[in-house]
Amino acid sequence: AQSVAQPEDQVNVAEGNPLTVKCTYSVSGNPYLFWYVQYPNRGLQFLLKYITGDNLVKGSYGFEAEFNKSQTSFHLKKPSALVSDSALYFCAVRVFMNRDDKIIFGKGTRLHILP
Amino acid sequence: ETGVTQTPRHLVMGMTNKKSLKCEQHLGHNAMYWYKQSAKKPLELMFVYNFKEQTENNSVPSRFSPECPNSSHLFLHLHTLQPEDSALYLCASRLGTSPTYEQYFGPGTRLTVT
Repeated sequence: AQSVAQPEDQVNVAEGNPLTVKCTYSVSGNPYLFWYVQYPNRGLQFLLKYITGDNLVKGSYGFEAEFNKSQTSFHLKKPSALVSDSALYFCAVRVFMNRDDKIIFGKGTRLHILP
Repeated sequence: ETGVTQTPRHLVMGMTNKKSLKCEQHLGHNAMYWYKQSAKKPLELMFVYNFKEQTENNSVPSRFSPECPNSSHLFLHLHTLQPEDSALYLCASRLGTSPTYEQYFGPGTRLTVT
């Protein structure tokens, strides 16, 4: 079955330290991968995506993600965390096969940046 | 602001009430979505509209009835809901049918069914 996994419910990082939010996927065909962020009382906001090309993708607010085909992962990273990065992060995979376009969201990882 | 607005932002309704949620996008997108977000559960896709035509219904109970009169507006009509329907309902839009496009989400309507 096709799926997206975010193995951590919560990640705690001290301000100024690097952060990683993990995402792995299992899909048929070429995956198109996305990261979204949700701040309190807001909808999801697009951060970045991987479609093709360079495995390292840069996005909004200094975030980046690395596509690793062999490990079927697309981890979100930032070199230096800010308190304002505290939010809920969702990984999503879109698969397009046989004219059927589906998006699968992970369950989300709550990122808590400690001052 | 993402260019997708939702009204109302909060709604409390009894199980016998009828209400509607409204979504409007100002982005010129052609695809619109309804999602349900419950605590401790993954985001659930409910309905998909492409060019005003419903292309997906994810086994949603008939007490939820979507309507898409044009590419800019999307409604979710609610009637005889259950307490377990209490959740954040998110609307999203996308530029087109290409799977490379990201979605733009509204702020959501927090629904409480009493």
